[in-house]
Amino acid sequence: GAVVSQHPSRVICKSGTSVKIECRSLDFQATTMFWYRQFPKQSLMLMATSNEGSKATYEQGVEKDKFLINHASLTLSTLTVTSAHPEDSSFYICSAQQGTASYEQYFGPGTRLTVT
Amino acid sequence: QKEVEQDPGPLSVPEGAIVSLNCTYSNSAFQYFMWYRQYSRKGPELLMYTYSSGNKEDGRFTAQVDKSSKYISLFIRDSQPSDSATYLCAMSVTNTGNQFYFGTGTSLTVIP
Repeated sequence: GAVVSQHPSRVICKSGTSVKIECRSLDFQATTMFWYRQFPKQSLMLMATSNEGSKATYEQGVEKDKFLINHASLTLSTLTVTSAHPEDSSFYICSAQQGTASYEQYFGPGTRLTVT
Repeated sequence: QKEVEQDPGPLSVPEGAIVSLNCTYSNSAFQYFMWYRQYSRKGPELLMYTYSSGNKEDGRFTAQVDKSSKYISLFIRDSQPSDSATYLCAMSVTNTGNQFYFGTGTSLTVIP
């Protein structure tokens, strides 16, 4: 149980285009999903918290107009990187919270974004 | 100063060795401590979860928390090649919400 999927696993796009990443909880409903960014040899950095049916809460320094988050259902959240630039190239990981405890957060396999 | 410090390694050990992975932290309010394992190009998976100080054992894995020293450890006994991965520590103040603070991760290779 507690499986989270992400699609695509890897994407290459040209500078200036937009990319959508999907995060799905496959066998449980997740009121809350989280989006992280991970640079090589660095820790996961929380970008935003996504609650079903409401606006996402962004961490300080994360541009909400650039990283659009939609949590349309209890099993799906999407992250759209708009007008991508090479510096947006990173590993994006989502997680979904199954219960109320902080450790009940299950991570997706990540999406490797490369912007050329 | 970072909230959580973790030696990135890499750490290389022979199969069967005992592995010790560590994190230090600066915020004395942290009460919940987690260890995650992350294989290459995969998301982290929860290995151990502990509250406050003390030890917790699960199979070959033992997590230790020393709040007085702001130091946590993960021990892996009888290490296997399949344990080769990056291990991240994470901690939080409360047991609800999402405010995790992650270490940078330690890359471990277990050589057959």
